[in-house]
Amino acid sequence: ETGVTQTPRHLVMGMTNKKSLKCEQHLGHNAMYWYKQSAKKPLELMFVYSLEERVENNSVPSRFSPECPNSSHLFLHLHTLQPEDSALYLCASSPLGQGGFFGEAFFGQGTRLTVV
Amino acid sequence: DQQVKQNSPSLSVQEGRISILNCDYTNSMFDYFLWYKKYPAEGPTFLISISSIKDKNEDGRFTVFLNKSAKHLSLHIVPSQPGDSAVYFCAATGTQGGSEKLVFGKGTKLTVNP
Repeated sequence: ETGVTQTPRHLVMGMTNKKSLKCEQHLGHNAMYWYKQSAKKPLELMFVYSLEERVENNSVPSRFSPECPNSSHLFLHLHTLQPEDSALYLCASSPLGQGGFFGEAFFGQGTRLTVV
Repeated sequence: DQQVKQNSPSLSVQEGRISILNCDYTNSMFDYFLWYKKYPAEGPTFLISISSIKDKNEDGRFTVFLNKSAKHLSLHIVPSQPGDSAVYFCAATGTQGGSEKLVFGKGTKLTVNP
């Protein structure tokens, strides 16, 4: 138990569906992230929120839309995904230190997404 | 272009022996390095880190070595245990300048045989 909780753990959705992934942390961290892990690829950073503001968007297609309503919650809204978007989506949080340095990240268990 | 490289996708070691996992990086702005461990169906968990002002950091059975001139770090696990079998990710970041992010390698799958 890392203190970062993701729901759902598994999700199967059609290409025309709209769904949302949820992440919650009560570690008092100020930074939250979405990562994508595809088979045989490095963990890919998708979005970074620092103090509830998006500070990083790594050229992610607009069919992925993040939302950070407060420092404890992070959502990833999914719309008209493609089969190649099937992957493990990981949420993480970390403290925000001096100079903008993000400390060690604590990861959730991930959502295994399958797009059919 | 991968900034953090783990060139060995897998490693198999006998229980009780030493496991050595290697990681290379290319970005000279990186000054903080981390190792994460991941079991199947779980998210990565933080294992150990090292700042560039050090060349070694030890925590129990785990030791990370950093060679800045070679842009290389390694994780030593000794003695290795079957419960250490997992995927190990190397990650790097820069701590100066703001908006730093963790850059991960592809991971090395360690199997410790009883």
